Amino acid sequence: GESVGLHLPTLSVQEGDNSIINCAYSNSASDYFIWYKQESGKGPQFIIDIRSNMDKRQGQRVTVLLNKTVKHLSLQIAATQPGDSAVYFCAERETGRRALTFGSGTRLQVQP
Amino acid sequence: NAGVTQTPKFQVLKTGQSMTLQCAQDMNHNSMYWYRQDPGMGLRLIYYSASEGTTDKGEVPNGYNVSRLNKREFSLRLESAAPSQTSVYFCASTRLWEYEQYFGPGTRLTVT
Repeated sequence: GESVGLHLPTLSVQEGDNSIINCAYSNSASDYFIWYKQESGKGPQFIIDIRSNMDKRQGQRVTVLLNKTVKHLSLQIAATQPGDSAVYFCAERETGRRALTFGSGTRLQVQP
Repeated sequence: NAGVTQTPKFQVLKTGQSMTLQCAQDMNHNSMYWYRQDPGMGLRLIYYSASEGTTDKGEVPNGYNVSRLNKREFSLRLESAAPSQTSVYFCASTRLWEYEQYFGPGTRLTVT
């Protein structure tokens, strides 16, 4: 598959542990944030999103936390599984714009 | 539904050659996008089409042109390929008034 990010920061966790992937953003005008998962050779897949009027949102095994004071976003994955191994991207949308701005990604490696 | 489809999956061009990358979606989405993904740099927006009949430049439009052929199809053209355009290209689409983008599987382009 495609080599997506040869020099990405990498988070290595044991199967069954919880994972936390962090993302800093710089645009205080961003009002919508989204996390994507990208497996090797595939396009990004939606995981979870959050609007700026919230500070926490939960999905199935995933939680996104938003701290607007320090412009920080995190993705928590509970009971990480080998199938969670992928590159994870955060993206933000500035108020009034349609397009998303993507971060550079973090590679998650799950050790069996 | 096939979702977002892209052709071709792989392409090798010589410097100066031209080609068109095709994208189609069958989800009746209004907005479509073209991104490029380089190692360690996340996804960068090339062009987008908020609705049929409109196109706008993104972050890195130089060297590219687009055509929103109809509601389903959005093509990306390289008129005179350069080695700097070696990348993986992703097409995405969204529903009107939503921001979650659905991605295609990508086209890996190499320009020699």
